[in-house]
Amino acid sequence: YELTQPPSVSVSPGQTATITCSGDKLEIKYCCWYQQKPGQSPVLVIYEDTTRPSGIPERFSGSNSGNTATLTISGTQAIDEADYYCQAWNSSFYVFGTGTKVTVL
Amino acid sequence: EVRLVESGGGLVKPGGSLRLSCAASGFTFGRYTMTWVRQAPGKGLEWVSSISSNSGYIYYADSLKGRVTISRDNAKKSLVLQLNSLRVEDTALYYCARELAGTPGFDYWGQGTLVIVPS
Repeated sequence: YELTQPPSVSVSPGQTATITCSGDKLEIKYCCWYQQKPGQSPVLVIYEDTTRPSGIPERFSGSNSGNTATLTISGTQAIDEADYYCQAWNSSFYVFGTGTKVTVL
Repeated sequence: EVRLVESGGGLVKPGGSLRLSCAASGFTFGRYTMTWVRQAPGKGLEWVSSISSNSGYIYYADSLKGRVTISRDNAKKSLVLQLNSLRVEDTALYYCARELAGTPGFDYWGQGTLVIVPS
């Protein structure tokens, strides 16, 4: 099972960044999203497709429909520049997406 | 405060073995599924293995099946990953992570321990 993400996304400060994650029948699996900054451990930003953990800003939101899950960062800030990974559980194993580097220009 | 601290990484020759440990604190360790995730230098995240709270369910990534064993000691709040027959491609930072209660996803991560298998 594979999850495919675009390698990179560029966004201007204050604009909306959209990161997609594609996988077969992904909508029937819960999707999570992680943010990872250089030299740091990943941080969970979305779980159960749409839920933000405590402490994650409201500008992070998620959705999941059909074969595609989406992470949206509204009003993107410079501090949001990072790598983002989607993740899903597929019955007996976890799979991570290929990762997307978000650049805030 | 939840803390996960990995140890045991290092330089090991191809074919060698290594035992990674993760010391947990700040939460009731025995109630959570725990996981190992690795990340090769400059690469993405790769799930390695998960073990349920009472060790009743254990899962491994196909890429490591047969060469890795996960275990835990709830009394000692410790998670272990035994790596055998190590290959150059096993070079990575190995993270210990806690799974969310009752739903997929990892809410707490350690800082990782580095395993290097030179060519």
